Amino acid sequence: AQTVTQSQPEMSVQEAETVTLSCTYDTSENNYYLFWYKQPPSRQMILVIRQEAYKQQNATENRFSVNFQKAAKSFSLKISDSQLGDTAMYFCAFIPNFGNEKLTFGTGTRLTIIP
Amino acid sequence: GAVVSQHPSRVICKSGTSVKIECRSLDFQATTMFWYRQFPKQSLMLMATSNEGSKATYEQGVEKDKFLINHASLTLSTLTVTSAHPEDSSFYICSALLLAGKYEQYFGPGTRLTVT
Repeated sequence: AQTVTQSQPEMSVQEAETVTLSCTYDTSENNYYLFWYKQPPSRQMILVIRQEAYKQQNATENRFSVNFQKAAKSFSLKISDSQLGDTAMYFCAFIPNFGNEKLTFGTGTRLTIIP
Repeated sequence: GAVVSQHPSRVICKSGTSVKIECRSLDFQATTMFWYRQFPKQSLMLMATSNEGSKATYEQGVEKDKFLINHASLTLSTLTVTSAHPEDSSFYICSALLLAGKYEQYFGPGTRLTVT
């Protein structure tokens, strides 16, 4: 079974600081995709960043970067220079790429950026 | 970027009535769409996978006769909650799969259903 675990239900950090959200997953697949989605209070799901398992280089999108450790099945999200608009629920998600496009979500981490 | 719309954004209905929620991909064609349900302060729960031109695939425990899904075109999928009851009150979210090797899902803004 494919599972995604987010062990931090809630986190808070001062504005402009750096925060790291943890995510681990379990799969027997070798090729797959990992995602971080953000859900702000508006509840619109927004794709933050994605990582292909076959790529060794960690994905980066502006202030957002990941630390992908394939052997450890770990996929953490680092937010640098955090901003008030980063306050949201963050969901780690996983998808195998062999014809099954269903996303498996983690339970989420509620991140609060403190002014 | 890819945009997915949902209509209505909010609906209140009486117990026993049916409600239809539309999900549209506005600037791309989506052969596959997904319907999720989200309870307060919880993650998204996949209800069903909607494929254009074929029957939807429901997840275990989801009643297909209660949650009717129709993927009528490459840009439209609908979810009809039939004979709604208060326990069906929830936040329903659709997503559309953007292929081209990226396997990215783009989400609609969600529909809040309240059954009185």
